[in-house]
Amino acid sequence: EAEVAQSPRYKITEKSQAVAFWCDPISGHATLYWYRQILGQGPELLVQFQDESVVDDSQLPKDRFSAERLKGVDSTLKIQPAELGDSAMYLCASSSSGLATDTQYFGPGTRLTVL
Amino acid sequence: DAKTTQPTSMDCAEGRAANLPCNHSTISGNEYVYWYRQIHSQGPQYIIHGLKNNETNEMASLIITEDRKSSTLILPHATLRDTAVYYCIVAGGDYKLSFGAGTTVTVRA
Repeated sequence: EAEVAQSPRYKITEKSQAVAFWCDPISGHATLYWYRQILGQGPELLVQFQDESVVDDSQLPKDRFSAERLKGVDSTLKIQPAELGDSAMYLCASSSSGLATDTQYFGPGTRLTVL
Repeated sequence: DAKTTQPTSMDCAEGRAANLPCNHSTISGNEYVYWYRQIHSQGPQYIIHGLKNNETNEMASLIITEDRKSSTLILPHATLRDTAVYYCIVAGGDYKLSFGAGTTVTVRA
């Protein structure tokens, strides 16, 4: 069964450093999502791509976060500089077209710890 | 903001049916009810979704009330591997999933 791949699985960094997370969606899926999940809470959408275009980044802290999906396939989420409050699980998901009846498939996540 | 209300936690016995309630009194006509679950340290997993009619798949059944203001997810024969946080989500045409805190379900032997 096809899966969403994410790397690294775990990342420890110091505040003010730059970090980057990578996501490879299920082949053929046009829509890609990045979520942030703080411990004890549900995931929160950060950014949504349709192919290579950003559809929604209203919840992305743009002063320090950036996301790209240059060829409309895999995607990178970057934080620069990292802050203590960025410690969380970063989840990537994909769906075939982003329509209401499409299932979102989630990857295993990257757990970020900022010291 | 999450548009649903779920109990914080519930226990159920292994082998018995688990009935998970969800209130969504402000649901709109074009919004679906989705259920996802998240096993510890994993990404969320899709379970089932519905609009008006009851739905069943290999994982669970979804019962939606006639006025669509509430629903129940039924796990017919709970196993220890069903221990997870279960999220009830209402989403419309833009399919933006807004997760709340969910219900922590613990299946006990």
